[in-house]
Amino acid sequence: DGGITQSPKYLFRKEGQNVTLSCEQNLNHDAMYWYRQDPGQGLRLIYYSQIVNDFQKGDIAEGYSVSREKKESFPLTVTSAQKNPTAFYLCASTPNRGKDNEQFFGPGTRLTVL
Amino acid sequence: AQKITQTQPGMFVQEKEAVTLDCTYDTSDQSYGLFWYKQPSSGEMIFLIYQGSYDEQNATEGRYSLNFQKARKSANLVISASQLGDSAMYFCAMREGYPGGYQKVTFGTGTKLQVIP
Repeated sequence: DGGITQSPKYLFRKEGQNVTLSCEQNLNHDAMYWYRQDPGQGLRLIYYSQIVNDFQKGDIAEGYSVSREKKESFPLTVTSAQKNPTAFYLCASTPNRGKDNEQFFGPGTRLTVL
Repeated sequence: AQKITQTQPGMFVQEKEAVTLDCTYDTSDQSYGLFWYKQPSSGEMIFLIYQGSYDEQNATEGRYSLNFQKARKSANLVISASQLGDSAMYFCAMREGYPGGYQKVTFGTGTKLQVIP
C-alpha cells in the first residue's frame, strides 16, 4: 500500500533539546511539505521541498530545519530555537502531475515539550 | 485579508439531516483549486472533494458536494444524510496557480461538526 508514514506518533522533549520528526513516502511524489497545527487553528506551512537536495522556507520556518537527501524522505528537526514547539506536525506530499493534486497527508506527530 | 475564511467554528446537525459548511476565499489567480479535508480526532487529514476554478459543474463525491459560486468566491461543503462518523473538524483549503509539482496551499481555521443521534 502506498502512503506516507510519520514517526513517532507521540514525542516528548525537554526544553533546550533538538528533536527530529520522520516522514517517509512511497508514492513517488516529488514535492513534500511540513505543516504545523495548533489547537483551533488551520495548518501553517513550515518548509517544503520540490525535488531532492532542494527545499524552501514556508510561512513559519524559524526554529526548524529540514533535509531532502532522498526522494522518499523529508525529516524535520525542531531545534531549541523554536520558542513554542508543542504542536501537531503533519507531513504531506503531492504528485508531480495530475488534474486534482490533492495533498496526501501522513498520520501526524504530536510533539509536547515538557 | 484572509485567503480562506471559515466563519463557523462549530456546527451541530441531527443524524440523517443535511448540513452546509461555509467557506469563502480570496485570490487574484485565474487558476486555482479548492479542497475540503476532514480531520477526525485521531488527527489524520482525509481528502474529501476538489473543485477546480475552471470546472463548470459542482464537484460531488458520494454524500459530499461542493457548492461552488465563483462570482461570490465561495466553496461551501454540503454533507447529505449526516452520519455519526461525520463528527470531525472540516478544513477548506485553496491551491493557487496550476496543479502539478509544488503547490502553495492555504488552509482555513476549520469547522467542528458534531452529529447528534
